[in-house]
Amino acid sequence: EAQVTQNPRYLITVTGKKLTVTCSQNMNHEYMSWYRQDPGLGLRQIYYSMNVEVTDKGDVPEGYKVSRKEKRNFPLILESPSPNQTSLYFCASSLSGQTYGYTFGSGTRLTVV
Amino acid sequence: GDSVTQMEGPVTLSEEAFLTINCTYTATGYPSLFWYVQYPGEGLQLLLKATKADDKGSNKGFEATYRKETTSFHLEKGSVQVSDSAVYFCALSRMDSSYKLIFGSGTRLLVRP
Repeated sequence: EAQVTQNPRYLITVTGKKLTVTCSQNMNHEYMSWYRQDPGLGLRQIYYSMNVEVTDKGDVPEGYKVSRKEKRNFPLILESPSPNQTSLYFCASSLSGQTYGYTFGSGTRLTVV
Repeated sequence: GDSVTQMEGPVTLSEEAFLTINCTYTATGYPSLFWYVQYPGEGLQLLLKATKADDKGSNKGFEATYRKETTSFHLEKGSVQVSDSAVYFCALSRMDSSYKLIFGSGTRLLVRP
């Protein structure tokens, strides 16, 4: 089944403790992206990647890192999480973002206390 | 900058009623337009898309037509079901290298039996 898999689905952590949210797609898509969803602010892009080793900042990149060492994986790294990063995170991939649309993962609900 | 405006929700309908969710956009160039649906506790699913003016996207009884003259992409369904209860997002894909999706704020639909 074609899908984007994120892990974990739920995570509660403490301020400053490094964490990684994994994202993997099995569709051989070149484009991958991370979004966060917050009440009243909607969905905002954090980082995106057009191909292996090619990444760039989205609208809200502060406090996040990404890497794209393999085509299928696009992990999101929070080096020192803070409470304002409490959010619902989505990974998405696309064959060609402009016309094909994105396939989204099921989301990771992160709480930073 | 590019933006998407959706009608405020929630929209409450009885089963078999006609649905319209309004969406208008502001963008440079000719973006692709999408409707995504988010069921409770799940990620976003692509519902339908249109990539050029006058295109009609359709899926699962839902339709939307890309109207360049009115910069609109309204979602319609002739007869809603309880299972259509979800949050619906209108989105556009930017014409730059970020391939970022710009989302509307979402419209919650509640269908009563």
